[in-house]
Amino acid sequence: VELVQSGAEVKKPGSSVKVSCKTLRGTFNTFATNWVRLAPGQGLEWMGSIVPFFRTTSYAPKFQGRVTITADESAYTAYLELNNLRSEDTALYFCARPRTDYYDSRGHDALDVWGLGTMVTVSP
Amino acid sequence: DIVMTQSPDSLAVSLGERATINCKSSQSILSGANNKNFLAWYQQKPGHPPKLLISWASSRESGVPDRFSGSGSGTDFTLTISSLQAEDVAVYYCQQYYATPWTFGQGTKVEIK
Repeated sequence: VELVQSGAEVKKPGSSVKVSCKTLRGTFNTFATNWVRLAPGQGLEWMGSIVPFFRTTSYAPKFQGRVTITADESAYTAYLELNNLRSEDTALYFCARPRTDYYDSRGHDALDVWGLGTMVTVSP
Repeated sequence: DIVMTQSPDSLAVSLGERATINCKSSQSILSGANNKNFLAWYQQKPGHPPKLLISWASSRESGVPDRFSGSGSGTDFTLTISSLQAEDVAVYYCQQYYATPWTFGQGTKVEIK
């Protein structure tokens, strides 16, 4: 299984960004696609996840209201959209999926497949 | 939210020596249903995504060298590198997947002394 992410983005404060994550060579719709970011000088931060088949999304309270995670099952692709960008959102955004599908673990599993990351820079 | 706190923030160890990283959760992440600790350890090198080393607190992933081991239960966990190699220089994170939001420790940077 491989997760292929979209390319780097440069955005203005107050704008939005949408990052994609395509699953290659693996099941897509019954696995949770998670989004995790790494800001400069900071640690890993989980933002939310989606399980397409069950239409289930979960968001970290910190990002609730500002982030939307969606999926296109036909394209094996998940999306992260972050609105009202500020400089603190400058970070490397990763998608990742757990070892087991939602039937087995309800998403409660370690993340063993990761995309390479998408750099989002927020700058005036 | 479950808060994960790692210690130390950084450590420098001589090649071949032992490195120990601690991780403490603000509440127990041991499931009474299956008696498993919902804790993972990751290694991250600059410019690379995190790599899963250990799940269920002590289960090493396939292909991970056996110098890496995890232990602990409930709220207190440890990652041990028994004999540090040059390629182990990285930042290490613990993560709980017991309850959303999944949360990570702040990271521990491991360097060569």
